[in-house]
Amino acid sequence: DGGITQSPKYLFRKEGQNVTLSCEQNLNHDAMYWYRQDPGQGLRLIYYSQIVNDFQKGDIAEGYSVSREKKESFPLTVTSAQKNPTAFYLCASSDGGPNQPQHFGDGTRLSIL
Amino acid sequence: SQQGEEDPQALSIQEGENATMNCSYKTSINNLQWYRQNSGRGLVHLILIRSNERVKHSGRLRVTLDTSKKSSSLLITASRAADTASYFCATRNTGGFKTIFGAGTRLFVKA
Repeated sequence: DGGITQSPKYLFRKEGQNVTLSCEQNLNHDAMYWYRQDPGQGLRLIYYSQIVNDFQKGDIAEGYSVSREKKESFPLTVTSAQKNPTAFYLCASSDGGPNQPQHFGDGTRLSIL
Repeated sequence: SQQGEEDPQALSIQEGENATMNCSYKTSINNLQWYRQNSGRGLVHLILIRSNERVKHSGRLRVTLDTSKKSSSLLITASRAADTASYFCATRNTGGFKTIFGAGTRLFVKA
């Protein structure tokens, strides 16, 4: 079955530590996205990538970094510069067309130790 | 920046009743989408309505779009306990690449 896999499901970060969240898709989609969701709120865009080896900052990119070396992979690093990282992180992909929906993974919940 | 705003924030109904959620937005859009999220899970796409469409159906779902009022509604007919979830509207702005999500409506369907 095609889909998006996020790992790990739960992640804990220590002070001063960088952590990386994995996102893999086998839908052959060009575009991939990272969102942050805080309790009771909607999704805020962190980074997005329209094509391999290219990505752009979203609305809340500070303290995060990404790479897009392969079409199927779009890992997100939460750096120590992100002072409030506790949230639910969602990865999505789409084929990039303006009228195509996004397909989401099941998220990674990040907490501070 | 948030574009879509859902109303109500929360809705509790009995099984078998209809549920209506509304979404308002601010700028010109290419399309409007509705997603569903079960607790602790990712979002699942339900339906997409383009800016030149007014009504769209999918199973028990009916979506309307009024571009003059910059608003949309999602109707779930004959609700079931399994419909309990959060529902989000999302807009793709004209000429833009990003999809902007609202804060969602939490629907609780009592068996």
